[in-house]
Formats: sequence, structure tokens, C-alpha cells
Amino acid sequence: DAGVTQSPTHLIKTRGQQVTLRCSPKSGHDTVSWYQQALGQGPQFIFQYYEEEERQRGNFPDRFSGHQFPNYSSELNVNALLLGDSALYLCASSLGQGRTEAFFGQGTRLTVV
Amino acid sequence: SQKIEQNSEALNIQEGKTATLTCNYTNYSPAYLQWYRQDPGRGPVFLLLIRENEKEKRKERLKVTFDTTLKQSLFHITASQPADSATYLCALGRTGANNLFFGTGTRLTVIP
Repeated sequence: DAGVTQSPTHLIKTRGQQVTLRCSPKSGHDTVSWYQQALGQGPQFIFQYYEEEERQRGNFPDRFSGHQFPNYSSELNVNALLLGDSALYLCASSLGQGRTEAFFGQGTRLTVV
Repeated sequence: SQKIEQNSEALNIQEGKTATLTCNYTNYSPAYLQWYRQDPGRGPVFLLLIRENEKEKRKERLKVTFDTTLKQSLFHITASQPADSATYLCALGRTGANNLFFGTGTRLTVIP
């Protein structure tokens, strides 16, 4: 049983560019959440998708957007990249909307230069 | 705004001893609290979940307590081993909200 898989594992982008990160949830899970983790900090919630809709959003600008597909996989898009967007981006899947443990992927390390 | 503090950035203990990590929160009424382990360059791994109406939870060498009056959770690892060395994160969840609020983590080093 595959856990949560994210791609790519590492990415280098130039300031101003756009990036798309991908996530496949754990088998049987229908909810995907995205987090941003800066170096030395805890993960910060970006948004959560359930039934192909964004259900909740953290304190992130509209440059951050996402999508969930019918097979529950998800994408995170970031437009107009800033140097401060450099971080580890984590995808977490769960069954239902909260109150259960989240299973995290290994993350995508994004570096903006 | 909510604030979650984990007692120290780093904690060093001798192998075999009990490690105790603290998670304090303010301006928050969590419905549940979770603890995760994170190794360098990896995603967090779920360890334990404790709900607001529970005082204590155990799993093998791990024990979590939850005191909603003190607004504090303690995470214990008994008979610690070098393999327990990692960063440990506490995360709070709230009724009606689906996201987790994470602390900054405590980096635990178990010295052989």
C-alpha cells in the first residue's frame, strides 16, 4: 500500500516564475491538505481539498492555488514566485475532514533563486 | 492569534532515560492534539492523537498527556534510544476547522 507520494522531490525556480507541485494521497484517503515548512519552523497550513473543492484556507495569498482531481490526487500551484516561497512543501492526506491523523508525503523542496 | 510553543528548540538526553517534551498553547481551544516525528528532509510521521476529553494516551514507549486547564501537553519517550533522535512536533486541531496548527518543534538527541 503506497503512502502519500509527492513530485518532484526537489525543484529550483527563478523569481517570478510559476510552479506546480503534485500529490497522490494514501490509498483510501479522500482529503488532501497542503503545508509550507520553512527551515527550522513547523508546517503552516495552506489549504485543504475535499470532494474536489477547497474547504479551508490558511493565511496565504491568492498566488497559492490548488486543485483536486476525481481520483483524490491534488496539485499546488504558486504563481509569481518570491524568494520567500523557498520552503519544503508538504502534502498530507486523511480520511474525512479532520479529527484523524494526517499522513504526510516526503515533501517537495522548492528553492527560488 | 493562536500561539503554540514547544519547550525548547533542542533537548539532549542520555540513552535509557525518559525524554519529556512540552507543548504549550495560548488563545486556543483545541479539540484534539497530535504529536509527530520528523527526520531531516522528510515529512512528519504521526505518532499519537489525544482528544480534549482524554487525559492520557499511551503507545508502546510513548505517552502523551493533555491538560486543557494548563493549556499544555507533555510527550514522554521512556527508555530512549539513539534511534529516537529526531524533531518532534505538536499540532493542534480545532472543532469546525480541518487544519492543524503546528509548533516549531523540539529537536531531540539521544546520546549513547
